Amino acid sequence: SQKIEQNSEALNIQEGKTATLTCNYTNYSPAYLQWYRQDPGRGPVFLLLIRENEKEKRKERLKVTFDTTLKQSLFHITASQPADSATYLCALEEDNYGQNFVFGPGTRLSVLP
Amino acid sequence: DTGVSQDPRHKITKRGQNVTFRCDPISEHNRLYWYRQTLGQGPEFLTYFQNEAQLEKSRLLSDRFSAERPKGSFSTLEIQRTEQGDSAMYLCASSSQTNTEAFFGQGTRLTVV
Repeated sequence: SQKIEQNSEALNIQEGKTATLTCNYTNYSPAYLQWYRQDPGRGPVFLLLIRENEKEKRKERLKVTFDTTLKQSLFHITASQPADSATYLCALEEDNYGQNFVFGPGTRLSVLP
Repeated sequence: DTGVSQDPRHKITKRGQNVTFRCDPISEHNRLYWYRQTLGQGPEFLTYFQNEAQLEKSRLLSDRFSAERPKGSFSTLEIQRTEQGDSAMYLCASSSQTNTEAFFGQGTRLTVV
């Protein structure tokens, strides 16, 4: 089954800097990969989806890349703000049936003022 | 559209009791997912419905867990003979046929004492 690793359990950065989060998967190469944000005690909120034939996707201050050769996605938040502090999860298909998706353990981002 | 709603938000139960949770997805969404999440971990897939059909169930799910979606609208998740290890946040999500992004509810936090 699919195994997902996210670069670190926690990441602290200074306000205004760019945060870069990593998602690596080990097995089946998915048709798409998603990133979610989760605040404490709340359900995940969808941020971005990137497909296997897309190298990069942007939405406001967010940028996602997808390298199927490296089996890796990078998630960038530019000009980070304290309000960006949250846990960020990547999710992708478990297998080629595509009926459900599995989540990584998440990276807890803290943006310090 | 009020989003995905889950009820109750919190449940404390004694070991050995049965509990049932409810999820109301976004009305036009035909896909519904149940996930379980423990502290510091990403959501773990439990089961998936397309309309009223339960198409997939995690191999990790014990026989004490059962889920239904009788009319293809709301869904219930029942845990029989609860154990302390069942303590977790239970998350429900829904998505449409054409868009893969999932919308999550606020979750039901279960504590088994």
